[in-house]
Amino acid sequence: EGQLLESGGGLAQRGGSLRLSCAASGLTSRSYAMTWVRQAPGQGLEWVAGILSGGLTDYADSVKGRFTVSRDNSQSTLYLQMNSLKGEDTAVYFCAHRRGPSDGLDVWGQGTTVTVSS
Amino acid sequence: AIQMTQSPSSLSASVGDTVTLTCRASQDIKNDLGWYQHKPGKAPKLLIYGATSLQSGVPSRFSGSGSGTDFTLTISNLQPEDFATYYCLQDYDYVWTFGQGTKVEIK
Repeated sequence: EGQLLESGGGLAQRGGSLRLSCAASGLTSRSYAMTWVRQAPGQGLEWVAGILSGGLTDYADSVKGRFTVSRDNSQSTLYLQMNSLKGEDTAVYFCAHRRGPSDGLDVWGQGTTVTVSS
Repeated sequence: AIQMTQSPSSLSASVGDTVTLTCRASQDIKNDLGWYQHKPGKAPKLLIYGATSLQSGVPSRFSGSGSGTDFTLTISNLQPEDFATYYCLQDYDYVWTFGQGTKVEIK
């Protein structure tokens, strides 16, 4: 079924940057889409960004212009470059995989924690 | 962005009960909706995709219905492992959105 493993979380200063990575293994077919989802402390899930296999990207309004999602297909790795970080970006960040255009997010990583301090 | 509204925000139920969770979209999203189960400290888990299709490996006591703007997730014969928070997610628009979640607690 495959696995996803996030890394790159940690403590960042307000206005600073972090880059998250998501390494995929065992996924037998090229994914249709990969996404980032986050959960702030005590809050629900929030879709953050997505990238299709062709490279088309989309972002939630809350991160547009500050975050950039990209993927390295040769290394089966998804990235999230986070710039101009704000306190409200503090969250656990999950990456997730979508096999086909009619499928759901069927494989998820365990999450990596980002804390933005003032 | 399309707004997704879930109700109730929480509910209490007993093992063996049947519960129905609802999700309403602010505009027609056809059947581009999934349901996810989330437990603290764990990764979310896909239950239903395409509004009605059961994900492989998910018990048949979970079922989804609806299209357009109104959707439901029904859990029959509630089991101890089903106590969790459930989210709907629309993927009709380029910008996807989750509902705010329904927490299912033990009565």
